[in-house]
Amino acid sequence: DTGVSQNPRHKITKRGQNVTFRCDPISEHNRLYWYRQTLGQGPEFLTYFQNEAQLEKSRLLSDRFSAERPKGSFSTLEIQRTEQGDSAMYLCASAPGQAINQPQHFGDGTRLSIL
Amino acid sequence: AQKVTQAQTEISVVEKEDVTLDCVYETRDTTYYLFWYKQPPSGELVFLIRRNSFDEQNEISGRYSWNFQKSTSSFNFTITASQVVDSAVYFCALSEGVSGTYKYIFGTGTRLKVLA
Repeated sequence: DTGVSQNPRHKITKRGQNVTFRCDPISEHNRLYWYRQTLGQGPEFLTYFQNEAQLEKSRLLSDRFSAERPKGSFSTLEIQRTEQGDSAMYLCASAPGQAINQPQHFGDGTRLSIL
Repeated sequence: AQKVTQAQTEISVVEKEDVTLDCVYETRDTTYYLFWYKQPPSGELVFLIRRNSFDEQNEISGRYSWNFQKSTSSFNFTITASQVVDSAVYFCALSEGVSGTYKYIFGTGTRLKVLA
């Protein structure tokens, strides 16, 4: 169990550019979540994958955001035409099985700064 | 609507003091879980404890204990004999069964500072 891995740890980009983040969940965890955390706030849910299927997207996930999880393994989160308001920490989490009691395991996050 | 409230923004204690972090939640679901996570400066959220909606028995695990009361919708977390390494932001989270995704709804967090 090597934990949830996220890359890059930090991303600085200019407004209007596209960015892509990667998340490698704990192997054999079929549930994968993306959250966004702004300064001084708790994480907010963005989207959920069960294996390769994206089953839920938050209203926070505008058309500029897209997430994929090909083959049910790693996941990517892409933001197109970044805006100042996209600056945040993007957290990925994974969990095993289908039971509500299984806690989610989080990665270290990717901190995005928009210049 | 689902909601988690952590009214304490920041708490400072001296090492070895006990400290209780408060959490109040709102949900219409009858099946749910409550969790506490710790977020050190490195950023990773670390799972601490969980409690389901059908079990109000309070427990102790090492220096951690929790008090779950459905009547007041509270899930408070206590650290006994605090240590400097306990300094972090602590989040309470609610996970409901009705959606099937078991996504978390987090509170805004409580920053704990333990002074040597």
